[in-house]
Amino acid sequence: AQTVTQSQPEMSVQEAETVTLSCTYDTSENNYYLFWYKQPPSRQMILVIRQEAYKQQNATENRFSVNFQKAAKSFSLKISDSQLGDTAMYFCAFMSPFGGSRLTFGEGTQLTVNP
Amino acid sequence: GAVVSQHPSRVICKSGTSVKIECRSLDFQATTMFWYRQFPKQSLMLMATSNEGSKATYEQGVEKDKFLINHASLTLSTLTVTSAHPEDSSFYICSRIGRGGQDTQYFGPGTRLTVL
Repeated sequence: AQTVTQSQPEMSVQEAETVTLSCTYDTSENNYYLFWYKQPPSRQMILVIRQEAYKQQNATENRFSVNFQKAAKSFSLKISDSQLGDTAMYFCAFMSPFGGSRLTFGEGTQLTVNP
Repeated sequence: GAVVSQHPSRVICKSGTSVKIECRSLDFQATTMFWYRQFPKQSLMLMATSNEGSKATYEQGVEKDKFLINHASLTLSTLTVTSAHPEDSSFYICSRIGRGGQDTQYFGPGTRLTVL
């Protein structure tokens, strides 16, 4: 079974600065999908970024980018120019193409952006 | 805009009663939807996969007679918590797969259930 580990329960960053959230996973599969979801205080889960394991290029979405290290099974999220609205719980998630689209989530990292 | 809705957003009920939560796919027909449970300050735990026109697939440890799932149409899945008890109090979230394929999930806003 796949596992996803987020070793940072809480992090904080000053507004406009850059922060990196860590995620590692364990799988024996070669092709899979990785995600970062954001859950703000409203508790609505919002997709931040998606990475396909067969793509070597790291995914980017505006201020959000990932550092995908397949051999190390690492998938970190970098948030540039942090904004107050980025304050949220961030979840890393894994999906196998053979698992019926089921997601396995990490424990989450609570990010606080300070003014 | 939102692609998945849930109703109600909050519900309070007495112990022993049953509660139904609706999850709707707003922009396309979803043959597969998912139900999660989330305790405070914890991650999402997948409860079951809801399949249109067939029985739901439950995760290990989830009581299928306790959490009844019905996916009677391509846009609606319902979760009924039967004979609810205080330990069933939680945040319940549904999701569906993306329109373009089955490799991304989009989530509803969640339902907070409180059992007194």
